[in-house]
This record gives sequence, C-alpha cells and structure tokens, in this order.
Amino acid sequence: LAKTTQPISMDSYEGQEVNITCSHNNIATNDYITWYQQFPSQGPRFIIQGYKTKVTNEVASLFIPADRKSSTLSLPRVSLSDTAVYYCLVGDETGANNLFFGTGTRLTVIP
Amino acid sequence: DAGVTQSPTHLIKTRGQQVTLRCSPKSGHDTVSWYQQALGQGPQFIFQYYEEEERQRGNFPDRFSGHQFPNYSSELNVNALLLGDSALYLCASSLVSGGTSGSYEQYFGPGTRLTVT
Repeated sequence: LAKTTQPISMDSYEGQEVNITCSHNNIATNDYITWYQQFPSQGPRFIIQGYKTKVTNEVASLFIPADRKSSTLSLPRVSLSDTAVYYCLVGDETGANNLFFGTGTRLTVIP
Repeated sequence: DAGVTQSPTHLIKTRGQQVTLRCSPKSGHDTVSWYQQALGQGPQFIFQYYEEEERQRGNFPDRFSGHQFPNYSSELNVNALLLGDSALYLCASSLVSGGTSGSYEQYFGPGTRLTVT
C-alpha cells in the first residue's frame, strides 16, 4: 500500500497558478495516481487521474515524472471557489487499493 | 442520472445504541465503499462491497458491519456506539472494471452526519 505525503496547507492569491506536490516513493507498477477535492461538509470530488507523464482536463493538469515517485496537481488561475482540501491517492487498476486518503492539502485562495 | 444518495442526512444517537446508514450508488456502478471522516481529518476507509461481498476492509472493529444488496445499494451498521463514532460517514460508488473511460474514480455521496451523545 503506497503511502502519500502532501503539504498540510498552502495559500495563493486569486488568479495565480497553484501547484500541489504529492510524494509516493513506494508506488507500485500497476498504481494510478488520483486527486480529489473536498469542500467542508461535502463528499470528495474526483479531479483527475493519471499513470505517467501529463494528463489534462477542463479543471486541472497532473504532471508525473518518469520515476513516478511524485506527482504535481496544477490548478490554473485559481479563484476563491477553489478553496478546499485536496487529496492525493495511489492505487492499482482494480480500484481496491485506491481507497486510502491521507491528511490532504488545505488550499486557501486569498482575494 | 442520480448520483450517490445517502440517508439519513443527520442522525443523533446515544452511546450503546445501534445505527444503520444507507447508500444508493450512482446508476451503473457496482462497487460501494464506506468512509468515516472525523472533523479536520481525511476520510478513513471502512470497507468496500462488490457483488454483495466485503472485498476489502480498513482498520475498523467488527462493530462496523455492512451489506450490499442485489441492486448494489448498501448499508453500514454500527453497533454499541461510542462517542468517538461521531463523524461524517461517506459512501462512494465506482465501477470495478473502470468503465469505458478506464478511470477508477469514486463518486461520493453527501454523507450522513452522525452525532453520538
């Protein structure tokens, strides 16, 4: 079971690009990397998932270096509504191990 | 297309009592996972059900039990409630096969807020 490490908190001004890095040194060959966003008193919401290199969707980009021991979630031009906790998870394609949340990164966007 | 639904929204119980929480997965999903989230903490995995069987379990005592029905809905039961069981209980559904997109994302419900007094 690969463990993940993220910064506890980050602050950013509106309109800036935010990069949140997650370390997963023990990631297994079959593991995917998944990021979730959670607002207070709501369930987490899927943001993006990737295996290697770069993945981009309408919300964010995910950068994964060749050794896959870390990953970076990039949020372009954040707004106040992006203030939330962001979680990084790793797990294999069965989904069975993609279940363990760490403490996450609390992002605060400042006006 | 309804997403994941959970009931009830809020619940207040007394120590020692038993509680049952319910979850209906997103349409087309076959796997349900349950999480406990204490205030200020990340969600802690309780267990996952697939094909009406417990597929994987986190580090929770056997006071926590569950069930999955043929229509994929699920229940979480907690016996002999303790004050420390007060938390937001989240249900998440997914497709074990990943679906056509190949993504193994989980869809979470809004949660049930359980308060034990």
